[in-house]
Amino acid sequence: DGGITQSPKYLFRKEGQNVTLSCEQNLNHDAMYWYRQDPGQGLRLIYYSQIVNDFQKGDIAEGYSVSREKKESFPLTVTSAQKNPTAFYLCASSIWTGSSGNTIYFGEGSWLTVV
Amino acid sequence: AQKITQTQPGMFVQEKEAVTLDCTYDTSDPSYGLFWYKQPSSGEMIFLIYQGSYDQQNATEGRYSLNFQKARKSANLVISASQLGDSAMYFCAMRDPESNSGGYQKVTFGIGTKLQVIP
Repeated sequence: DGGITQSPKYLFRKEGQNVTLSCEQNLNHDAMYWYRQDPGQGLRLIYYSQIVNDFQKGDIAEGYSVSREKKESFPLTVTSAQKNPTAFYLCASSIWTGSSGNTIYFGEGSWLTVV
Repeated sequence: AQKITQTQPGMFVQEKEAVTLDCTYDTSDPSYGLFWYKQPSSGEMIFLIYQGSYDQQNATEGRYSLNFQKARKSANLVISASQLGDSAMYFCAMRDPESNSGGYQKVTFGIGTKLQVIP
């Protein structure tokens, strides 16, 4: 089945460590995104990528890094520079068809906790 | 800047009844799109329904319909015949008009409404 796969579902990080969240999609979508969700808040955009080898900062990119070496993959690294990384992270993808039915599809999310 | 407002932190509805979740938005651009997503406790964001600003009719998808009132800048979600499985967080979102190139869609999300369906 086509979809977006995120791993791991749960991840614990020690202070000062970098961690990488995986995101893979087999929908053949061009654009991919990473969002962060905190309790009581909506989703905030961290990074997005429109094509391979290109990505742009979103609204809260500080302390995060990404790569887009393959169309299917868009991993997110949470670096030690991110001061408050404990959150729920959602990966998403989309394709522009020009019709009114465009939408963004999401993975199941990854919970990151700093211990 | 775009803004999405969801003023109902939590809602209760009796099973089999209809419920309306409110969403208002603010944009100065005539071209935009509005989404509703459902997020169950498992965390996945599930796309429910989409309304384009130029669409003449209100969007419907099964038990979901979007009450689009352009002049009032509101895009309320109506769920008919509520089911226990409808209990979840619901997010309203708006697609920015600068999204119209390269497949990238800049989307602003509201803070969500928690819906609980009572048996």
